[in-house]
Amino acid sequence: EVQVLESGGGLVQPGGSLRLSCAVSGFTFSTSSMSWVRQAPGKGLEWVSVISGSGGSSYYADSVKGRFTISRDNSKNTMYLQMNTLRAEDTAIYYCAKFYYDFWSGFDFWGPGTQVTVSS
Amino acid sequence: DIQMTQSPSTLSASVGDRVTITCRASQNINRWVAWYQQKPGRAPKLLIQKASNLESGVPSRFSGSGSGTEFTLTISSLQPDDFATYYCQQYNTYSWTFGQGTKVEIK
Repeated sequence: EVQVLESGGGLVQPGGSLRLSCAVSGFTFSTSSMSWVRQAPGKGLEWVSVISGSGGSSYYADSVKGRFTISRDNSKNTMYLQMNTLRAEDTAIYYCAKFYYDFWSGFDFWGPGTQVTVSS
Repeated sequence: DIQMTQSPSTLSASVGDRVTITCRASQNINRWVAWYQQKPGRAPKLLIQKASNLESGVPSRFSGSGSGTEFTLTISSLQPDDFATYYCQQYNTYSWTFGQGTKVEIK
């Protein structure tokens, strides 16, 4: 059974940093491209960042480029999102999601999400 | 970046109705579109990939069509479990943008 679980969310002040983790099981993580998708309160879905199975390729939405860094440790079946210089508009539920096949497919498994709140 | 414009934003319908949601891309994305269903407090669920490929376990009343810049999600006979918000998503380029969502409400 595929399992995806995010952690690391919380309350942080503007300008602060936070590191999210996504632990997975039930599939071959090292060959699976992964992503972070967020949803601000009462709003729609916004992709944040994606990373290839090897970790050699990654892409970012313009809204987070230069502030967020995606990474993964295939030995630990875990993906990360380092978030720096956080802003109020980064407040959202952050979901970890697995690509069905590669970058050119939908997201077939999602975690329940972790809440990030940026506020003073 | 490619923009996805979804309509309507809200749709009121009754059980048994045929429902259609439209998504327009700002440029040609071939058939690289997925559709998701999201219920309050839950993560999205993948329904359809590559415009019309139904995911395993998704009821056959859901169908997708389109190519290029215009795509549709159709629910042939709305069931109580289908009241939710639906999102389209494109994955044609190195961005994975979503539409704004369509909330399907009980009439």
